[in-house]
Amino acid sequence: AQTVTQSQPEMSVQEAETVTLSCTYDTSESDYYLFWYKQPPSRQMILVIRQEAYKQQNATENRFSVNFQKAAKSFSLKISDSQLGDAAMYFCAYNGVYQLIWGAGTKLIIKP
Amino acid sequence: DTGVSQNPRHKITKRGQNVTFRCDPISEHNRLYWYRQTLGQGPEFLTYFQNEAQLEKSRLLSDRFSAERPKGSFSTLEIQRTEQGDSAMYLCASSQKTGTGGYQETQYFGPGTRLLVL
Repeated sequence: AQTVTQSQPEMSVQEAETVTLSCTYDTSESDYYLFWYKQPPSRQMILVIRQEAYKQQNATENRFSVNFQKAAKSFSLKISDSQLGDAAMYFCAYNGVYQLIWGAGTKLIIKP
Repeated sequence: DTGVSQNPRHKITKRGQNVTFRCDPISEHNRLYWYRQTLGQGPEFLTYFQNEAQLEKSRLLSDRFSAERPKGSFSTLEIQRTEQGDSAMYLCASSQKTGTGGYQETQYFGPGTRLLVL
């Protein structure tokens, strides 16, 4: 079965510092996509970054980057220069056959 | 480019009443998804449309739930005889199928409809 695991229910980081959120997944597929979404309190789910499994190069979007380890089935998100606006729930997701399969989320707290 | 919109944003109802939610996807997107999210959890898949055809339904979707997407545009999700366990955020997402392959495209989400059943 395809599963996604986020082992950190909550993380905190000082403003301007770097934080890494962990995600592992399980699949028997060789070609797939992985996503990180951000959900601020009472606001909608926003795509942060996406990674295509056949690409060896890690995806980067401004201050957000991933460390994709296909063999280890690991997909962590690094946030550099953390800002107060980064405070949110972060969800890791894997594209199943027709649906996204989600982790339980990591709550990120930014300390000013 | 307008995003995915959902109405209403909030709904409070009494147990046993019927409720209907609407989702308007991004205009050129042919795929539309409904998810349910309870507090502190990731979303759970409910159902999925490609154009007007409902192609998949989760086992979570009991007989009290029905979804439609007439003419492949907006979609409605109806819950009949609501129960307190139906209280959740109902999320709609849309995507554009590309190529002949599977489901690699990115899903874009609406703001959700928060349902509270008293």
